[in-house]
Amino acid sequence: GDSVTQMEGPVTLSEEAFLTINCTYTATGYPSLFWYVQYPGEGLQLLLKATKADDKGSNKGFEATYRKETTSFHLEKGSVQVSDSAVYFCALSDHSSYKLIFGSGTRLLVRP
Amino acid sequence: KAGVTQTPRYLIKTRGQQVTLSCSPISGHRSVSWYQQTPGQGLQFLFEYFSETQRNKGNFPGRFSGRQFSNSRSEMNVSTLELGDSALYLCASSLEVGVGNEQYFGPGTRLTVT
Repeated sequence: GDSVTQMEGPVTLSEEAFLTINCTYTATGYPSLFWYVQYPGEGLQLLLKATKADDKGSNKGFEATYRKETTSFHLEKGSVQVSDSAVYFCALSDHSSYKLIFGSGTRLLVRP
Repeated sequence: KAGVTQTPRYLIKTRGQQVTLSCSPISGHRSVSWYQQTPGQGLQFLFEYFSETQRNKGNFPGRFSGRQFSNSRSEMNVSTLELGDSALYLCASSLEVGVGNEQYFGPGTRLTVT
């Protein structure tokens, strides 16, 4: 079945460092891809999405490009802030049922 | 526009009891999905409703059920609670059903079973 694999965390960075969180997927057909963020004690917030190959999703300085050839959707940010500390989830939208299938999440900790 | 609301936010129940959780979607959204989040299993899909009909169901036992009302509000019920049902239950709404449709999540209901 469809699945999403994320890099293990936690990822610890200093403020203003460059961020990459790796995400790869396995799916039949052409899924849509999403990044969600979860702050402590809260639900998930949609960060960005891409619906077809080579699409780039972007929001709040975060970017991810849908790479069909490598089945990847890596999240990047050029300069992280302490307020970016959270858990980030990569997800795909299953074509047959439209449910979201999530990766295991990657915790990001940004130090001042 | 108000976001997805879930009530209650926290709940403590005893093993064997049953529980009902409520979700109000964003105004105008007709699809509601439920997910269970646990440290061990991560985020898992429970079920999805659209126009009062359950369209999809995840791999959970029959103790987990749900419904959707004509105003799109949804409830999920868990009967005969087990310790392993302790989790954060998240509700998400979307305008329509489709692969690229964005799902917006509520803050969740934290269920603790003792």
